[in-house]
Amino acid sequence: NAGVTQTPKFQVLKTGQSMTLQCAQDMNHEYMSWYRQDPGMGLRLIHYSVGAGITDQGEVPNGYNVSRSTTEDFPLRLLSAAPSQTSVYFCASRNSGLGETQYFGPGTRLLVL
Amino acid sequence: KNEVEQSPQNLTAQEGEFITINCSYSVGISALHWLQQHPGGGIVSLFMLSSGKKKHGRLIATINIQEKHSSLHITASHPRDSAVYICAGVRNYQLIWGAGTKLIIKP
Repeated sequence: NAGVTQTPKFQVLKTGQSMTLQCAQDMNHEYMSWYRQDPGMGLRLIHYSVGAGITDQGEVPNGYNVSRSTTEDFPLRLLSAAPSQTSVYFCASRNSGLGETQYFGPGTRLLVL
Repeated sequence: KNEVEQSPQNLTAQEGEFITINCSYSVGISALHWLQQHPGGGIVSLFMLSSGKKKHGRLIATINIQEKHSSLHITASHPRDSAVYICAGVRNYQLIWGAGTKLIIKP
């Protein structure tokens, strides 16, 4: 299994540009989440999905869209990038049980100029 | 007040020392994850606890439900244990993240 994969690993955007961060998992996990991690801060939940076709907002959803058309994929779209979205983005997945291990992707470092 | 609080924020110790990282959490959190983030950025899940104690190698995690407190211990610490250790509380199937403890083990 490849686990949770994310692309790209690193991206530089100009303010106002849009882009999609890709996330895929091959473990047939129901739950997938997107987090951002800023220096000196813990991970903050952006959006999450409890299954294909179902998404919901997390703690910091503004400026981001998600969709979950398949179990495997959970892309995160930045609609109009802003410098405040400079961060490291992590995708994670797990099964739906309370005690299930959460698996993380390697992260995407995004710099918005 | 944060719902999940970790202490200390930073910890530097000598190789071989016994390490304790603490995590306190608020009402409504039903379980706790401990995770490790390596200097390269990757995040690995270490434990999930809803009661009692778990051990894996040199790592031990405990949780006291009544006191809403969990600890992560590292025995015989080694420089390769240097990382950020994060506790995250489970509430309604979402994770509430602590800010992390940066651990440096010096040879």
